Amino acid sequence: SQTIHQWPATLVQPVGSPLSLECTVEGTSNPNLYWYRQAAGRGLQLLFYSVGIGQISSEVPQNLSASRPQDRQFILSSKKLLLSDSGFYLCAWGRDRVYGYTFGSGTRLTVV
Amino acid sequence: SQKIEQNSEALNIQEGKTATLTCNYTNYSPAYLQWYRQDPGRGPVFLLLIRENEKEKRKERLKVTFDTTLKQSLFHITASQPADSATYLCALEAGNNRKLIWGLGTSLAVNP
Repeated sequence: SQTIHQWPATLVQPVGSPLSLECTVEGTSNPNLYWYRQAAGRGLQLLFYSVGIGQISSEVPQNLSASRPQDRQFILSSKKLLLSDSGFYLCAWGRDRVYGYTFGSGTRLTVV
Repeated sequence: SQKIEQNSEALNIQEGKTATLTCNYTNYSPAYLQWYRQDPGRGPVFLLLIRENEKEKRKERLKVTFDTTLKQSLFHITASQPADSATYLCALEAGNNRKLIWGLGTSLAVNP
């Protein structure tokens, strides 16, 4: 069966520090991968999506970047965090429309 | 502008009753609409998908309707249970790259 792993679960980082969140998928190949951010009262905001290794599409100009070094690995990064980067970050993969998206358990990032 | 709206106020119902949640959208012609459940601090979990040519879809105690003329989807939970308490999100697919546009969600509380 397919599973998605996302870590860490919570993270408290000072302003200006770097960030690296990792997401891996098991049990499938060549998945479409997504990074979302969910802020209170703002719903799920798509940050990046990837249809294959090295293929990254950015949805929102921001302080973040994403990479896909392997087929089932998706990384969200920042060189210098801002206070506004705080939020709940979710990784997801999409297999087939019928099955919807499968989300990871999320990372609660607080920038202080 | 393109929008997707869900009841912003929390819905409180008595156990055993039917919960009905609404999702309205404007300026889209989605081929698919999806419903997800999200518990606090967790990622959304896919529940149901309905296609534009389907009027209704059922899964156990869940029922989704899709009216493309009204640009509305209704999500019903029959014989509701306290365990159904969660936030329910609707999302519709926009564009050829299968990106989802998300509503803010409706919080449902089922009281015993």
